Amino acid sequence: ELKVEQNPLFLSMQEGKNYTIYCNYSTTSDRLYWYRQDPGKSLESLFVLLSNGAVKQEGRLMASLDTKARLSTLHITAAVHDLSATYFCAVAQLAGNNRKLIWGLGTSLAVNP
Amino acid sequence: DAGVTQSPTHLIKTRGQHVTLRCSPISGHKSVSWYQQVLGQGPQFIFQYYEKEERGRGNFPDRFSARQFPNYSSELNVNALLLGDSALYLCASSPRAEFNYEQYFGPGTRLTVT
Repeated sequence: ELKVEQNPLFLSMQEGKNYTIYCNYSTTSDRLYWYRQDPGKSLESLFVLLSNGAVKQEGRLMASLDTKARLSTLHITAAVHDLSATYFCAVAQLAGNNRKLIWGLGTSLAVNP
Repeated sequence: DAGVTQSPTHLIKTRGQHVTLRCSPISGHKSVSWYQQVLGQGPQFIFQYYEKEERGRGNFPDRFSARQFPNYSSELNVNALLLGDSALYLCASSPRAEFNYEQYFGPGTRLTVT
């Protein structure tokens, strides 16, 4: 059974600093999503990564996927307060006829002035 | 274009009752997935439907069931409600079933079981 681990689970950082959130998963997959969730709100798609070596960037966020290491990273550059939210990674399990999307526990990010 | 819509927004039920949650996908999207998100945790995959057929099922008891209609809208049914079923139920739509595409989430239905 696929397991997805994120770390750190909580992250407090200063504005202007850089940091990386890690997403490890336990079985082979080449389909990984990153989502953002603000308190009390639904999920907003950030990135869809579909192959080994995939790298996508949007504003201050950049995501990458290494399927051999079973690792994805979400890198934050020069953080600003508006990035405060919970970030989730989710990995597709496609074995057999039962397709699932397995989620990490989330990283709660607080960006402080 | 309208996004994914879900109804109702909030719902309060008593233990042992039955509940039906509804989801309308983005126009043109044929896949609907359902998730349960307990406060403070990540979403848990419940079902995926594509072209009215079940394509994926998470580790939920048989009290949970779903179906998809010819217009691609979907219902999630939960029987014999337990206190632990209290959660935000999210629906997501995408063009196809293979998880190659971005999934667009609705605002969710917050279910409280007392």
